[in-house]
Amino acid sequence: AAGVIQSPRHLIKEKRETATLKCYPIPRHDTVYWYQQGPGQDPQFLISFYEKMQSDKGSIPDRFSAQQFSDYHSELNMSSLELGDSALYFCASSSGTNTEAFFGQGTRLTVV
Amino acid sequence: GENVEQHPSTLSVQEGDSAVIKCTYSDSASNYFPWYKQELGKRPQLIIDIRSNVGEKKDQRIAVTLNKTAKHFSLHITETQPEDSAVYFCAAKAAGNKLTFGGGTRVLVKP
Repeated sequence: AAGVIQSPRHLIKEKRETATLKCYPIPRHDTVYWYQQGPGQDPQFLISFYEKMQSDKGSIPDRFSAQQFSDYHSELNMSSLELGDSALYFCASSSGTNTEAFFGQGTRLTVV
Repeated sequence: GENVEQHPSTLSVQEGDSAVIKCTYSDSASNYFPWYKQELGKRPQLIIDIRSNVGEKKDQRIAVTLNKTAKHFSLHITETQPEDSAVYFCAAKAAGNKLTFGGGTRVLVKP
């Protein structure tokens, strides 16, 4: 069965650069979540979309923005990168608002 | 917003013994409680979930219990095996809201 696809899997950027992470949800899933996970930390919620509209916002820095497109894929845009942005970024999708969320394999972002 | 507390943060058990992880949540509107297993550097994988209209659910060696009145839920793993070693996260969600994770429990099963 198709799973959540994230790209790229690994990304190395320098401080003050920008990065774009992409997420392709499971077909027919209408909800997308973005999470940031630092080493040894639990996943921290950044932002979510339901039917292409932002549905909830967590601890997402103003330097980050995200959107969900007409084909339901989502992109997380990160600007003015800082060393502390180095983390695993997970995207998850679900069908409806109260069903299980399936996670992608994540994008490991390293800022140097 | 929702706040999920998870205990213990680390748990070491002998192979074959049981492991229990406990979580509490704050938002009485939460009605969906999944548990995820995460191996190092990999994605969280759903292992079991429970909804608020159910008090207990079992799937082979794992079971989850929910006490809505007390706002706590627990994961029970019986007959633990080395491959159960991982970080386990509980989470809570109200309809239409984000999934809020507990802090995680690092489980080590010693052969």
